Amino acid sequence: AQSVTQPDIHITVSEGASLELRCNYSYGATPYLFWYVQSPGQGLQLLLKYFSGDTLVQGIKGFEAEFKRSQSSFNLRKPSVHWSDAAEYFCAVGPSSGGYNKLIFGAGTRLAVHP
Amino acid sequence: DADVTQTPRNRITKTGKRIMLECSQTKGHDRMYWYRQDPGLGLRLIYYSFDVKDINKGEISDGYSVSRQAQAKFSLSLESAIPNQTALYFCATTRTGVNEQFFGPGTRLTVL
Repeated sequence: AQSVTQPDIHITVSEGASLELRCNYSYGATPYLFWYVQSPGQGLQLLLKYFSGDTLVQGIKGFEAEFKRSQSSFNLRKPSVHWSDAAEYFCAVGPSSGGYNKLIFGAGTRLAVHP
Repeated sequence: DADVTQTPRNRITKTGKRIMLECSQTKGHDRMYWYRQDPGLGLRLIYYSFDVKDINKGEISDGYSVSRQAQAKFSLSLESAIPNQTALYFCATTRTGVNEQFFGPGTRLTVL
């Protein structure tokens, strides 16, 4: 079955600390992978995406993610967290070709940032 | 102006009432989607559409219906709302050949 698992429901970090949010997926075909962020009261904004090529992808707001096929993982990282990064983060997987571009989302990880 | 708009942004209604949530986009995209978001469950797909003649059920379509009035408009209806349909609803769009989806700001629906 196709699925996305985000093992951490809530994470709290101090401002300036590093961050890693975990994402594991189960998908039958070669996937496209996404990280979206949802700030309070806002819609979802794309942080970054992986389609092919270099397995380390850079996104907006200083985020990066690394695709590890052997581990079926696509973890999101940031070297130094800012208070404005407090939000909910969603990992998603979709088909690499054809189909209806349906995305499967993880349950989300809510990030709190302490001053 | 936002590329993907949703109306209303917030709605409180009573059990048994008919509700329509509307989504409009100015991105010129052909594909549109409706999701609901529940705490701890992420986003789940309700319906999706490739064009005005193509409507498909998602994983949780029971209790919902949709209408694609034009390429730019995709409405979600709850014919008889029930409390467990209380959720945050998102519309998203994309176009053929693009895998990234673009989301509206969401509609928070409360069914009492």
